[in-house]
Amino acid sequence: SQQGEEDPQALSIQEGENATMNCSYKTSINNLQWYRQNSGRGLVHLILIRSNEREKHSGRLRVTLDTSKKSSSLLITASRAADTASYFCATGGNDYKLSFGAGTTVTVRA
Amino acid sequence: NAGVTQTPKFQVLKTGQSMTLQCAQDMNHEYMSWYRQDPGMGLRLIHYSVGAGITDQGEVPNGYNVSRSTTEDFPLRLLSAAPSQTSVYFCASSYNGQGNHQPQHFGDGTRLSIL
Repeated sequence: SQQGEEDPQALSIQEGENATMNCSYKTSINNLQWYRQNSGRGLVHLILIRSNEREKHSGRLRVTLDTSKKSSSLLITASRAADTASYFCATGGNDYKLSFGAGTTVTVRA
Repeated sequence: NAGVTQTPKFQVLKTGQSMTLQCAQDMNHEYMSWYRQDPGMGLRLIHYSVGAGITDQGEVPNGYNVSRSTTEDFPLRLLSAAPSQTSVYFCASSYNGQGNHQPQHFGDGTRLSIL
């Protein structure tokens, strides 16, 4: 079964606006990762946040992790048309497996 | 660097046929894995390998075999294709054996249709 679940399933925003998506998971984790997938392509790694970290930044991306609530959020600031993609969270525990959620589809309107 | 290369990009099979999906990486990564992606379900782990000669099952291993004779290659075999195996298959790799603790590098996928 999938560990992570993203919310919302789909998001449509205007260029320049911020986009926020959330990921909830069920069991304890070692790390949580966010990936982007453009249509017809493979997944591209965005950010990895470890269980002892609370926030990480990378360019226009900000990820938070709340292990007490078993949730994470991905914020994309000042969105661009090129940010149109599906975004997935993935959780890694104390085994060798990475478990993905079903993803959030983001559409950025010009 | 080519990264993770998957071949073929597209394939149509008939029910009962067998085939091998190829995956190769040139980054000397120890950890490699195979996922399938179905609409609305995200990625599900089929098999993974923490190094040459070592493989293990993921979430949905039935109907698939893998082997890892070299660090570079991790082929996925469909033994007797079924329509339920119609999907997009992704191979991924990362640089050490505790693969789920590292960023994964993905190939561009193989789109497989079983008629």
